[in-house]
This record gives sequence, C-alpha cells and structure tokens, in this order.
Amino acid sequence: QVQLVQSGAEVKKPGASVKVSCEASGYTFNRYGFAWVRQAPGQGLEWMGWISAYSGYTNYAQKFQGRVTMTTDTSTSTAYMELRSLTSDDTALYYCARDSDPQWSGYLIYWGQGTLVTVSS
Amino acid sequence: EIVLTQSPATLSLSPGERATLSCRASQTVTRFLAWYQHKPGQAPRLLIYDTSNRAAGIPARFSGSGSGTDFTLTISSLEPEDFAVYYCQQRGIWPHVTFGGGTKVEIK
Repeated sequence: QVQLVQSGAEVKKPGASVKVSCEASGYTFNRYGFAWVRQAPGQGLEWMGWISAYSGYTNYAQKFQGRVTMTTDTSTSTAYMELRSLTSDDTALYYCARDSDPQWSGYLIYWGQGTLVTVSS
Repeated sequence: EIVLTQSPATLSLSPGERATLSCRASQTVTRFLAWYQHKPGQAPRLLIYDTSNRAAGIPARFSGSGSGTDFTLTISSLEPEDFAVYYCQQRGIWPHVTFGGGTKVEIK
C-alpha cells in the first residue's frame, strides 16, 4: 500500500531554514508528483507548491516564491521541502501529498502524517 | 489567484441529517474542483474530485455537484464519523491550486 512518511517535528529560530522530508513507498516513485500543503494553527489548508518526481519541474505558490525549494531524490524515493527565512508565521503543520494521476491532476490522494514546524526565539 | 469562498463557516447538525456545503470560486474552474475531509490529528482525505466523482472507498452518502463558480458537497445522512472540517480545492489553472477556508460540520 502507498505510504508517505515524513520527518519529525522541528523547532527553529526566526531567520533559520527548515528541510522536511517525505519518504514514499508502495508505488513507482517517479510516476507521480508531490504537493506540499501547510496548516497554521487554527487556520485552513494552504497549498505551497508542486514538484514532478519524474522531471524535477517545480511550481511554487507566489507567496512562497524565492523562499521555498522542493526537490526529490529518486534513489531514496524521498521528496523534500526546504523553507528559508522563517518567521513565526511559518509555524504550521506541513504535509506532503501525492498526486492522484501520473499526468498531474492537482488532486491529492495520499498524504503524509504531517511535520510540525515551530518557529520561536 | 483563484479564491475559493466556503459557506457556512460552521454547520451544526445532528446525525442522520443532511449536510449541504457550498464553495464559490472567484472565477470559473469549469469542473476542476475537489472536496477533502479533515479530522483533528489526521491527514486530509480526498472525497470528491472533478466536481462529482467519488474517490476510491468513499461512501455513496457523499456527493458533489456544480460547475463554473458554484459547487456543493452534500452528505445525505450524517454519520458520527462525518463530523469534521471540509475543504474545497480547485485545480482550474495548471499547476496552481488553492483551497477554500473550510466548513466545520459539528454535532448539534
């Protein structure tokens, strides 16, 4: 069965960077793309961007342009999301999620368990 | 960016009642709209995609309708496990995606 297992919780200081990993199993890794979605405390879901695990093509939400980098490592079937210049507004639960269609559907059928990133001085 | 507005923010209903959730887009997304269920401590779950198609394993009491800018998720008869937050999501303009603000369905 498809599983996405994310790295553990992180505590970072303002101005620092965080890199969250998402290890996939149960399917051919490079056939599907990944999105990263976050949820700040008491807020809704926010789409951060998408990466093709086949080509490495990325597309980021305008809000995160210049501050986020999404990558994949096909040798370990792992997707990564790095967010830089953290502020307290970046405190959130970060999810990786796999697309439902190899050709990109935008619909997210499998999700990781979430990684809590806390930004605090 | 396409903005999705969900209403109401909170829906208070009893088990067995019908739930009707609305999602309005700031511009047309044709039929490229999905619904997710999100419970505390769990990852979101895809319920409906392309307006009206149920994802694998989703019970028939969940249905979606609409087109263009106005969409509806209907839960025909609420089960205890259906009380959660529901989000709509559009993928109308590749590859940008946005979510609505959510509707909480709570027990009355």
